[in-house]
Amino acid sequence: GIQVEQSPPDLILQEGANSTLRCNFSDSVNNLQWFHQNPWGQLINLFYIPSGTKQNGRLSATTVATERYSLLYISSSQTTDSGVYFCAVERGNTPLVFGKGTRLSVIA
Amino acid sequence: GAVVSQHPSRVICKSGTSVKIECRSLDFQATTMFWYRQFPKQSLMLMATSNEGSKATYEQGVEKDKFLINHASLTLSTLTVTSAHPEDSSFYICSATVGARQALLFGQGTRLTVV
Repeated sequence: GIQVEQSPPDLILQEGANSTLRCNFSDSVNNLQWFHQNPWGQLINLFYIPSGTKQNGRLSATTVATERYSLLYISSSQTTDSGVYFCAVERGNTPLVFGKGTRLSVIA
Repeated sequence: GAVVSQHPSRVICKSGTSVKIECRSLDFQATTMFWYRQFPKQSLMLMATSNEGSKATYEQGVEKDKFLINHASLTLSTLTVTSAHPEDSSFYICSATVGARQALLFGQGTRLTVV
């Protein structure tokens, strides 16, 4: 099946710093989504982005489908950005496959 | 707006008992829902795909008789952990896709502890 690799696995940022999270996938996909899981376990859908670039406030994402990767940018990080960021992809009509996530800690 | 609501958020039960977790779609209909299990500091593991009006599709290695899934309506899917044991303790999360672009929404999750 399709493989999803996220990097870095762990990241510690000072409040106000910017960061880039990466998601590589092993085959072509028709669906790619980014999620944030807060420290209480709630998963929030950040972006549906099988290709192209999207922005939502301090977050933006870019997927280069031909090169099989996606990037999530976090600017001016805040402590509330802490948690785990997951990338998930879908190929064909199969359920989403999740990466192992990037654990982000933003310290004041 | 569209929301996936999961209940209960936490449950503690004794070994040998059964626990039912409910997952509801609010303001939208979900013909398909997904049930995940998550161990501490790990990724989400898909357990089964719940289909309204038909049998669930279980992933390899997931015991059908242990984890009973019922999707009786377009807004409700339930997961029943039968004869629970301490090794069933975990974080269970349901989800559903919304809209033509199939964005995935998650419930709040249920933290199950079997003592």
